[in-house]
Amino acid sequence: DTGVSQDPRHKITKRGQNVTFRCDPISEHNRLYWYRQTLGQGPEFLTYFQNEAQLEKSRLLSDRFSAERPKGSFSTLEIQRTEQGDSAMYLCASSSEISVDEQYFGPGTRLTVT
Amino acid sequence: GEDVEQSLFLSVREGDSSVINCTYTDSSSTYLYWYKQEPGAGLQLLTYIFSNMDMKQDQRLTVLLNKKDKHLSLRIADTQTGDSAIYFCAEPRGNMLTFGGGTRLMVKP
Repeated sequence: DTGVSQDPRHKITKRGQNVTFRCDPISEHNRLYWYRQTLGQGPEFLTYFQNEAQLEKSRLLSDRFSAERPKGSFSTLEIQRTEQGDSAMYLCASSSEISVDEQYFGPGTRLTVT
Repeated sequence: GEDVEQSLFLSVREGDSSVINCTYTDSSSTYLYWYKQEPGAGLQLLTYIFSNMDMKQDQRLTVLLNKKDKHLSLRIADTQTGDSAIYFCAEPRGNMLTFGGGTRLMVKP
């Protein structure tokens, strides 16, 4: 299966700690997206990359959040000094340049901040 | 408004048809999407419709689009217990997808 993969699937951390999540997109997709989903809501856009360039960031992405895609393949999302409000499902998606809106999602990383 | 809107909940009996409705915002959207999310899982792209179409059928799924009213619906024929999930409609806005709040479909045996 060559779908989008994310690691870890679950993360429990204490408030104030840093966490990092990884996303591996579908290999031929050059666009990669991060979304956040809280309980009972639809996913909300955080940021996206085209190849290694981060081209757009949502106002939801505070300065404690940073995302990278150094070689245009996998991406990492780091949250520094986590807060309880960061508890959510973090979803990664990818799409090709031909069908940019046809986004395929990974299984998500569920973050719980205690 | 600026929100993509969906009703929260739908309950049907196994074998009946389900109709999930969505109101979107941008009449210039080229494609509109339906995703399915099972508990604890990511989103699965179910189907989509191009904006110049009124209807698209894909096995048990039928998508209807009313561009005048910005209304999108997903019909699931012969609903099965495995169809129990949350269904999201989504429209492209710039480089992102904007999602509705999701409709939880419960299928009773």
